[in-house]
Amino acid sequence: DQQVKQNSPSLSVQEGRISILNCDYTNSMFDYFLWYKKYPAEGPTFLISISSIKDKNEDGRFTVFLNKSAKHLSLHIVPSQPGDSAVYFCAARQGGSEKLVFGKGTKLTVNP
Amino acid sequence: EAGVAQSPRYKIIEKRQSVAFWCNPISGHATLYWYQQILGQGPKLLIQFQNNGVVDDSQLPKDRFSAERLKGVDSTLKIQPAKLEDSAVYLCASKKNINTGELFFGEGSRLTVL
Repeated sequence: DQQVKQNSPSLSVQEGRISILNCDYTNSMFDYFLWYKKYPAEGPTFLISISSIKDKNEDGRFTVFLNKSAKHLSLHIVPSQPGDSAVYFCAARQGGSEKLVFGKGTKLTVNP
Repeated sequence: EAGVAQSPRYKIIEKRQSVAFWCNPISGHATLYWYQQILGQGPKLLIQFQNNGVVDDSQLPKDRFSAERLKGVDSTLKIQPAKLEDSAVYLCASKKNINTGELFFGEGSRLTVL
């Protein structure tokens, strides 16, 4: 039972272009969503988050959009840089719980 | 500020042997988590501590896995006996405030069971 789904295992974009990473969830009780970035041989690092009461959160080149009716969120990276090449995990938290549920991740490659 | 420290970084053992992983969270972080990440999967929560008490261990295979956080600071995760399917990266994470979702992860301990 996969409550958080990242259906694209990989994504390749050109430097300077937009990267869009997608995430779908099934549990309507999730109230907080996060994106983590992971480089090889390192632990995941927090990137950006969004509460379910918002539909957009922006931090520099990174913007997360939340569509609650579609149970869908996306991470936009503009402009993409080669240093953004990593695995990106979508995570969700259910209200009243401290447990984060992670997706399987999407490997982003930004080509120079 | 020092990050979450984990050791060892890598461990290779044979099935039915035992192994222990250690984690020292960020200073002042009351909440500590152990996650298991199998290759190609996202991290899966094994156990959550609040200070030295267990908050959630519903996904911990208790017949072979154990974890403790005796003084509310560092923690150990033990597997005994190990199975082939325990091959994974074991990630420790900590969090300061219970109402924020941001976890700080360590670099992980990669376990290979032969």
